[in-house]
Amino acid sequence: AQTVTQSQPEMSVQEAETVTLSCTYDTSESDYYLFWYKQPPSRQMILVIRQEAYKQQNATENRFSVNFQKAAKSFSLKISDSQLGDAAMYFCAYSPEYGNKLVFGAGTILRVKS
Amino acid sequence: EAGVTQSPTHLIKTRGQQATLRCSPISGHTSVYWYQQALGLGLQFLLWYDEGEERNRGNFPPRFSGRQFPNYSSELNVNALELEDSALYLCASSTGRRLEQYFGPGTRLTVT
Repeated sequence: AQTVTQSQPEMSVQEAETVTLSCTYDTSESDYYLFWYKQPPSRQMILVIRQEAYKQQNATENRFSVNFQKAAKSFSLKISDSQLGDAAMYFCAYSPEYGNKLVFGAGTILRVKS
Repeated sequence: EAGVTQSPTHLIKTRGQQATLRCSPISGHTSVYWYQQALGLGLQFLLWYDEGEERNRGNFPPRFSGRQFPNYSSELNVNALELEDSALYLCASSTGRRLEQYFGPGTRLTVT
């Protein structure tokens, strides 16, 4: 069974600084999709970024980028120029190629200090 | 473009009752997913509906069921409610398999 592990229950970052959230996963499949979702206090899950496993190039969305290491089964999220609005719970999620569900990690609470 | 909508926002039931939660996907999306976010248990996949059919279900008892209507909206029914069913129930939609899912605001179910 696929599993997703987020080893950092909580992280803090100073406004305008950079922070990296870690995620590892376990799968025997060769093709799959990885996502980072953000859940602010409003509880609305928001898609931050996605990565296809067959792509070697790391995905980037504005201030958000990933470091995808397929061999190590690692998928970290880097947030640059952190803003107060980035404070939220961040979930790493996995979707198998022939699957149709998201497998989530336990989440990392990100606090942004002004 | 309207996002995924869910109703009601909050639902309070007593043990043994039935709860019905509703979800309307983004226009053009044919797949609807249900997830349970219970305190201490994280986000767990419940059900997947596509084109009116149940395509997959997570490790939940049969008293969790649902359906998808011709307009692609969906209902989640929870029968014989138990205290541990108290959770935030999230609905998501997508245009197809393996593509990103967009989430609604959730329904907070409280069982007393």
